[in-house]
Amino acid sequence: GEDVEQSLFLSVREGDSSVINCTYTDSSSTYLYWYKQEPGAGLQLLTYIFSNMDMKQDQRLTVLLNKKDKHLSLRIADTQTGDSAIYFCAESTGGGNKLTFGTGTQLKVEL
Amino acid sequence: ETGVTQTPRHLVMGMTNKKSLKCEQHLGHNAMYWYKQSAKKPLELMFVYSLEERVENNSVPSRFSPECPNSSHLFLHLHTLQPEDSALYLCASSQNRDNSPLHFGNGTRLTVT
Repeated sequence: GEDVEQSLFLSVREGDSSVINCTYTDSSSTYLYWYKQEPGAGLQLLTYIFSNMDMKQDQRLTVLLNKKDKHLSLRIADTQTGDSAIYFCAESTGGGNKLTFGTGTQLKVEL
Repeated sequence: ETGVTQTPRHLVMGMTNKKSLKCEQHLGHNAMYWYKQSAKKPLELMFVYSLEERVENNSVPSRFSPECPNSSHLFLHLHTLQPEDSALYLCASSQNRDNSPLHFGNGTRLTVT
């Protein structure tokens, strides 16, 4: 079956880079997504990558995909206190836009 | 500001009450979704509507009843809920059901007493 795993916590200093990792099991994934959830809010789409790509960069965000190892990462450059949130990885498999989410990584940015 | 609006933001209800959650999307999307987010568990897909037709029901108990009167509005009718149904209920929409990204609302925090 489908399974998406993430580490639960990550703590970084303001100004450093953050790297949030995700592993998935379904090799037929078509799109992989990163969402951000701030307290009391819904999920905000940050970025996504098609499975035939290795890398995607969008301003401070860099997504790396290693399809062989089924490993996805999100790098946030120059992390700011406003980046503190829970980050969810999700994969889209099969038809019908069914997303399987990880349990989320809580990012804490310290001054 | 999100293009998907959910009301109410918070809801407390007893197990014998009947209430409804409302979702409205202003993005011109054709597909809408209900997800349940419980503490320390991955998001669970509940229902999917495409062009107002229910296309997915993920083994959700009948005490949850969705309604999609048009492509911009989605409701979740609740009755005879259990305390374990307390969670954040998230609505989402996407352009179509062909891998277009999901856009989420801010959710309704439901507490069942």
